[in-house]
Amino acid sequence: DIQMTQSPSSLSASVGDRVTISCRASQNIGSYLNWYQQKPGKAPNLVIYATSSLESGVPSRFSGDGSGTDFTLTITSLQPEDFATYSCQQSYSAPLTFGQGTKVEVK
Amino acid sequence: EVQLVESGGGLVQPGGSLRLSCSASGFPFSDYDFNWVRQAPGKGLEWVSNISSSGSALSYADSVRGRFTISRDNAAKSLFLQMDSLRADDTAVYYCTRDNQLLGYYYMDVWGTGTTVIVSS
Repeated sequence: DIQMTQSPSSLSASVGDRVTISCRASQNIGSYLNWYQQKPGKAPNLVIYATSSLESGVPSRFSGDGSGTDFTLTITSLQPEDFATYSCQQSYSAPLTFGQGTKVEVK
Repeated sequence: EVQLVESGGGLVQPGGSLRLSCSASGFPFSDYDFNWVRQAPGKGLEWVSNISSSGSALSYADSVRGRFTISRDNAAKSLFLQMDSLRADDTAVYYCTRDNQLLGYYYMDVWGTGTTVIVSS
């Protein structure tokens, strides 16, 4: 199975900050990497798919980058509604696997 | 409105069974593959099972293979997860998700609200 490791596990930031979350795959997954946002008590929502494609309706302050084993999710100018947990997921091979999540908290 | 709504969760004793359902609306159900994804309390997301659009291809996580069975009824626009021989570590919120794809890149673009399964004596 492909292991997905995110860093950091949590971070504290302020509104307006630039935030970057990393995700590392245990083997080469090309660009088969998705990012999800989840707020407490709610289902996850797709943010980025195929490493860098922005899901419809997601603000352009979200962006994704990377390839192979190393990927990043960046939020430029963090907004109040962006405080949440973000999880990466590989769709390269079964079983599909997720990172453990990165919680973005208010500083 | 594109929507997935799960039902069927509840409290069950170890060794028991539950059948989860997921009802879809707002899109052509039979065109899509679907997944079940779960999240144990305070933990990350775990993929459980996938079913192809026709229902002919099934896949399972090792942790549930042989105990869980995924199925679908395209006429009823519904997805199911039959869960047998339940264990305490199956306790989780279970989400059904729609698989979408672009140029071969798959992603879960629609998630249900989730249904809670608690396995406890």
